[in-house]
Amino acid sequence: EIVLTQSPGTLSLSPGERATLSCRASQSVASSYLAWYQQKPGQAPRLLIYSTSTRATGIPDRFSGSGSGTDFTLTISRLEPEDFAVYYCQQYGSLPQAFGQGTKVEIK
Amino acid sequence: EVQLVQSGGVVVQPGGSLRLSCAASGFTFNDYHMHWVRQPPGKGLEWVSLISADGGDTHYADSVKGRFTISRDNSKSSLFLQMNSLRTEDTAFYYCAKELWSGELDSWGQGTLVTVSS
Repeated sequence: EIVLTQSPGTLSLSPGERATLSCRASQSVASSYLAWYQQKPGQAPRLLIYSTSTRATGIPDRFSGSGSGTDFTLTISRLEPEDFAVYYCQQYGSLPQAFGQGTKVEIK
Repeated sequence: EVQLVQSGGVVVQPGGSLRLSCAASGFTFNDYHMHWVRQPPGKGLEWVSLISADGGDTHYADSVKGRFTISRDNSKSSLFLQMNSLRTEDTAFYYCAKELWSGELDSWGQGTLVTVSS
């Protein structure tokens, strides 16, 4: 069973700054099947990135994903006010699927 | 437009049973694998279960295996989660979700709060 560890737990940044979120897996993620989700309070998660680096439909290009094996990164190039939220990574290369514990991006 | 509409929240006693439902529209339901994911209030996401497009293959998290059963009715574009022997630690928002290709979840229901309490 793969365990995902996200860091940092909280990221305090200002609008316009760059955000770098990390997701580390306890074992290699098969086929780079790693996704990222955004969740705002009272809402369901929204798919941002899948297969490590492919943006989902309608996701702006300020969101990008990278990585391989056990280390993955979500980068938000310039934070917009609507980007302050909690972000989760998910591995789906093997069962059981797993989510990281989340990184909260808050306004500094 | 893809829509996943879930049944309303409930309170159930420990040891009790509950069946969640999720009505799908806006896509060809029987072409896609479907999932349940849960989230205790104020906490992170936990994958619960997966059912294949034809309903012939199912998988579960260890935490619910033997107690929860996922099923679907493709004739009615509906997904279900039968939850038995409920425990207080099963208290969570339960989301149904549509798989895009290989396990990534591109559409989610609005969530149903299940509270297990005496």
